Amino acid sequence: AQSVAQPEDQVNVAEGNPLTVKCTYSVSGNPYLFWYVQYPNRGLQFLLKYITGDNLVKGSYGFEAEFNKSQTSFHLKKPSALVSDSALYFCAVRDETGANNLFFGTGTRLTVIP
Amino acid sequence: EAGVVQSPRYKIIEKKQPVAFWCNPISGHNTLYWYRQNLGQGPELLIRYENEEAVDDSQLPKDRFSAERLKGVDSTLKIQPAELGDSAVYLCASSRGDSLFTEAFFGQGTRLTVV
Repeated sequence: AQSVAQPEDQVNVAEGNPLTVKCTYSVSGNPYLFWYVQYPNRGLQFLLKYITGDNLVKGSYGFEAEFNKSQTSFHLKKPSALVSDSALYFCAVRDETGANNLFFGTGTRLTVIP
Repeated sequence: EAGVVQSPRYKIIEKKQPVAFWCNPISGHNTLYWYRQNLGQGPELLIRYENEEAVDDSQLPKDRFSAERLKGVDSTLKIQPAELGDSAVYLCASSRGDSLFTEAFFGQGTRLTVV
């Protein structure tokens, strides 16, 4: 069975500082990993995905994520946080045994402090 | 390109009443998902369609929930009768093709409040 864990419910970071939002996963086959962001009263917006290849994936709005197979992690990062990055972030995973379904973590609320 | 469109955005109903949600996916996307998102939680899959076929409805509470996707485009999700615990945001998403690699695009959701 697939599962995703986001160990931090809340992350606070000062504007201009680097940010990291953590995600670990558990799958039976090869993982296909996604990050989404949700702003208040909005649907989820796709940020980036890891399929195969380079472990560092770049996505929208300056975000990137690093796939680490040995640690089964896919942490979201940004070198310099903006106040406008404050939102709810979700990690999601698919694998070949999951009938192509997308399983989400419980989310991490990021607050960037001016 | 237009995104996934859902309506209504908000719905307040009394318990035991029926309610329906509508979703129009992105043109050309043959995979459609319905998710439920409870407050403070991640989205949970209710049902997934490939064209007009429901290929995974294992998480859909079939005693009160039903869904359809006529002609493989628009979809409706119905609850009858609604219970207090059904209060949540119902999200529709679509993706191009039945691929593990493809990201899903989400609508803004319908916030249901059952009183």
